[in-house]
Amino acid sequence: QQQVKQSPQSLIVQKGGISIINCAYENTAFDYFPWYQQFPGKGPALLIAIRPDVSEKKEGRFTISFNKSAKQFSLHIMDSQPGDSATYFCAASRGQAGTALIFGKGTTLSVSS
Amino acid sequence: NAGVTQTPKFRILKIGQSMTLQCTQDMNHNYMYWYRQDPGMGLKLIYYSVGAGITDKGEVPNGYNVSRSTTEDFPLRLELAAPSQTSVYFCASSRVPGTADNEQFFGPGTRLTVL
Repeated sequence: QQQVKQSPQSLIVQKGGISIINCAYENTAFDYFPWYQQFPGKGPALLIAIRPDVSEKKEGRFTISFNKSAKQFSLHIMDSQPGDSATYFCAASRGQAGTALIFGKGTTLSVSS
Repeated sequence: NAGVTQTPKFRILKIGQSMTLQCTQDMNHNYMYWYRQDPGMGLKLIYYSVGAGITDKGEVPNGYNVSRSTTEDFPLRLELAAPSQTSVYFCASSRVPGTADNEQFFGPGTRLTVL
């Protein structure tokens, strides 16, 4: 049973466009929802994260939108740049800090110039 | 700070061989994790540790063993390598409990091939 479902699997966006990646979760006990960015040959790195007490969080060109009732959250990348080309993973966890993350399967984003 | 370091970067094993993947962190994190990443499958948790001397199984522990004798080190042991263990392995660590977030810091990974 996949607890975190991510879509699409791959995405191609023109430079300057908006990239949108969606995730859905099943466990209502989850209370921490991060997005990780991974470049080829590197480990994932935290991009932005949200807790369910807010509906949106923005950091620069990256925004998380969170819909608690629908059990969905999404990553929006505004003004997408070629340097944003990477694999993006959504994740979820519950309980105290340090609890293991449940990852989605990832989205490979290519931003064409 | 070097963060999370992993050795080796690459390794080719023959079926039935054993090896240890090394992981060290210098951030004084209590929590450490081992994940495997397969193409199109995301990251799956193998084992994790909440502190020295304490380890627990994750989602896919079969064929692996871990130990945690110090805060800094969390080695992953493969006893009898199988082709199904061909993967990229990531070690990660996170802050002590009670902090506001749960950021996990990942190492650069070990790419393992079992032939």
